[in-house]
Amino acid sequence: DQQVKQNSPSLSVQEGRISILNCDYTNSMFDYFLWYKKYPAEGPTFLISISSIKDKNEDGRFTVFLNKSAKHLSLHIVPSQPGDSAVYFCAASNTDKLIFGTGTRLQVFP
Amino acid sequence: IAGITQAPTSQILAAGRRMTLRCTQDMRHNAMYWYRQDLGLGLRLIHYSNTAGTTGKGEVPDGYSVSRANTDDFPLTLASAVPSQTSVYFCASSEDRETEAFFGQGTRLTVV
Repeated sequence: DQQVKQNSPSLSVQEGRISILNCDYTNSMFDYFLWYKKYPAEGPTFLISISSIKDKNEDGRFTVFLNKSAKHLSLHIVPSQPGDSAVYFCAASNTDKLIFGTGTRLQVFP
Repeated sequence: IAGITQAPTSQILAAGRRMTLRCTQDMRHNAMYWYRQDLGLGLRLIHYSNTAGTTGKGEVPDGYSVSRANTDDFPLTLASAVPSQTSVYFCASSEDRETEAFFGQGTRLTVV
């Protein structure tokens, strides 16, 4: 049973526009959430995180929003750039496990 | 260069054979993880360790075992490989669960 879900396997966005990647989770015990970016043939790299005591965290072009009541988080990238094209994973943590979603492949075209 | 190293980079393995994937980190991180990445299934947690001497089961632990004899090393062993274990395996480490995890470059394993 997938505890962390990314229902959109792919997303295509024009350069300069906003990219919105979504993630849902089922376990209310998760209290820390992260987004990772992955290029082919490389390991995932950390992008941004948020604690469950917050509802928003911003870092440059990247903003993560958390809606605890809906068990939903999203990553906003604005403006999107071609170099943002990658697979994005959301992850959730509780006590001792770090659980990842299925990933969304983002393609930013000129 | 500080970081996390996996070996081998890739391997073709006959079914039924035993295989150990190696993972070493030099950041003195407490937590370490093993994931497998499969198309459409994302990264699934196999086993984890919060500190040296302790390990725990993740989402898909069957067919795999781990040990954490010291802080730096976290090997993953397939006792008797099966074709369904064909995957890309990633090791990761983090200082604790509320800090970012650093990933290795992955091991591509093909079981034939």
